[in-house]
Amino acid sequence: DAKTTQPPSMDCAEGRAANLPCNHSTISGNEYVYWYRQIHSQGPQYIIHGLKNNETNEMASLIITEDRKSSTLILPHATLRDTAVYYCIVRNTGGFKTIFGAGTRLFVKA
Amino acid sequence: GAGVSQSPSNKVTEKGKDVELRCDPISGHTALYWYRQSLGQGLEFLIYFQGNSAPDKSGLPSDRFSAERTGGSVSTLTIQRTQQEDSAVYLCASSFPTGLGAFFGQGTRLTVV
Repeated sequence: DAKTTQPPSMDCAEGRAANLPCNHSTISGNEYVYWYRQIHSQGPQYIIHGLKNNETNEMASLIITEDRKSSTLILPHATLRDTAVYYCIVRNTGGFKTIFGAGTRLFVKA
Repeated sequence: GAGVSQSPSNKVTEKGKDVELRCDPISGHTALYWYRQSLGQGLEFLIYFQGNSAPDKSGLPSDRFSAERTGGSVSTLTIQRTQQEDSAVYLCASSFPTGLGAFFGQGTRLTVV
């Protein structure tokens, strides 16, 4: 599975959009981009995933660049409850060993 | 069940004792994963099951660690002769065979004293 690079921490004002970047320059053609988040003392929570098209669900949007070497997770209206560590992972459907890096610690401030 | 269930939620054990941690995956999920997370650290992959077989045990840190899965459902992670460095939260996740969208339990917090 390809390695990902994320900033260690970010701040966001409550009610504003939170844009979390992720670099995955070694991604291969059959690897998906996944995002999870982990709120303090809880297990990681699946957010969204995509291959090459942009994706949106009730939690977030995922924007993947055309060359697929980077992506951005967008929380459109961040709330205090979105404060968490956000993990960006790339993996293929046959790769069952999901490697979690250090992630980005997002602080949403009132 | 509705989600991945792990038990116990907390376990305090004396150094040198054996412990068993249990994971009950989401019904129908054939893939099961164990991770551990030390305080303030990221997730460390331990082992993965597809059905009852474990094609990838590469993350087990030592031969004191073992895991099994029976009936393609419940899995147990066993740590023998526990050491203080084994203290961590042990997380289990399950998914359909493709591995897309694995779902995690709340973990077992193990403290070795």
